[in-house]
Amino acid sequence: DVKVTQSSRYLVKRTGEKVFLECVQDMDHENMFWYRQDPGLGLRLIYFSYDVKMKEKGDIPEGYSVSREKKERFSLILESASTNQTSMYLCASSSPGARLDTQYFGPGTRLTVL
Amino acid sequence: AQSVSQHNHHVILSEAASLELGCNYSYGGTVNLFWYVQYPGQHLQLLLKYFSGDPLVKGIKGFEAEFIKSKFSFNLRKPSVQWSDTAEYFCAARGFNTDKLIFGTGTRLQVFP
Repeated sequence: DVKVTQSSRYLVKRTGEKVFLECVQDMDHENMFWYRQDPGLGLRLIYFSYDVKMKEKGDIPEGYSVSREKKERFSLILESASTNQTSMYLCASSSPGARLDTQYFGPGTRLTVL
Repeated sequence: AQSVSQHNHHVILSEAASLELGCNYSYGGTVNLFWYVQYPGQHLQLLLKYFSGDPLVKGIKGFEAEFIKSKFSFNLRKPSVQWSDTAEYFCAARGFNTDKLIFGTGTRLQVFP
């Protein structure tokens, strides 16, 4: 079974803090993704990475950055957290060669910025 | 622009009622389609997927979906819902030459005993 884990289920931070959200997958997947999930807006792609040290902006990258130093780990960074970044953050991974497969999701991190 | 629309935002049903959740997509070219489910407090998981072939696909827990190319639709159905189907359901699409998914806004289903 594919396993995608995220470092925290719940996180509370203050405005202006630097926040790190970590994601680890154990299936040797090349692709990794960060989404945010908000009521009524569904899942929106923030960033994705298709290889170590490679990244591409998604639909809503403003205020976020990412880091992928190792294949199994993909970090989302909020350089200076703001209240409008309060959300559920989901990490996912997939293999680009598996055209009949899809993305596997982690349990999510619910971030509250005060 | 590529997009996925789910027009039912909140659906409330009694147990044993039939379910149909709408999903329409806007995509040029070949598209792969997915339904994901998120049960309360749980992670997002795949319910079913369509890549090619038979347009009627069956998924887990008695769900099925029909791909109608002429209508750009991929509606999710279940003949008789259970209380345990209470969850949020997301439709998603992926172009043939990309690994990125585009999600709809989700439909919250509540089933009452």
